[in-house]
Amino acid sequence: GDSVTQMEGPVTLSEEAFLTINCTYTATGYPSLFWYVQYPGEGLQLLLKATKADDKGSNKGFEATYRKETTSFHLEKGSVQVSDSAVYFCALAPNYGGATNKLIFGTGTLLAVQP
Amino acid sequence: DGGITQSPKYLFRKEGQNVTLSCEQNLNHDAMYWYRQDPGQGLRLIYYSQIVNDFQKGDIAEGYSVSREKKESFPLTVTSAQKNPTAFYLCASSIVTGGSAGELFFGEGSRLTVL
Repeated sequence: GDSVTQMEGPVTLSEEAFLTINCTYTATGYPSLFWYVQYPGEGLQLLLKATKADDKGSNKGFEATYRKETTSFHLEKGSVQVSDSAVYFCALAPNYGGATNKLIFGTGTLLAVQP
Repeated sequence: DGGITQSPKYLFRKEGQNVTLSCEQNLNHDAMYWYRQDPGQGLRLIYYSQIVNDFQKGDIAEGYSVSREKKESFPLTVTSAQKNPTAFYLCASSIVTGGSAGELFFGEGSRLTVL
């Protein structure tokens, strides 16, 4: 079945370091891909999304490119801040008709940014 | 402001008791979802509803029940049949787009602890 695999955390970085969180997926058809962020004690918020191959989603300095050839959607940021400390979830929405809003989530990656 | 309200934020339950978690949204969204979050396991779908008076089981529905009598409300009951109910529960809603996946909007979650 469809699934998402993302790198295990925690990822610990110093402020202004470069961030990459890897995400790969398995899906039939052409899923939409998402990154959600969860700050401590809160629910999830959509960070960015891409709905077709080669699309790049971006928001708040974060970017991710939908790579169908490698089935990947890696999250990157050029210079992280302490305020970016959170758990990041990669997710996909299968696109084979019907309930396409049933997202499948990865296990989450905790990012800790130190000053 | 529009959003999703979950209550209570923290809940303690004795074994053998049923508890109901509330989820209310004023976003006028058709679809609502319940997810369970456990450390290291990401989010798993319990139930979802795309229209009033209709709902579907997700991946881990055993020991849970829901109702959808109003568009704004989607309460989740954790029954005594749920063997391991201690978890963080997240409610979400979305527009039903049909042809492509839409964004999920999440509440802040309810943490249930069984004593």
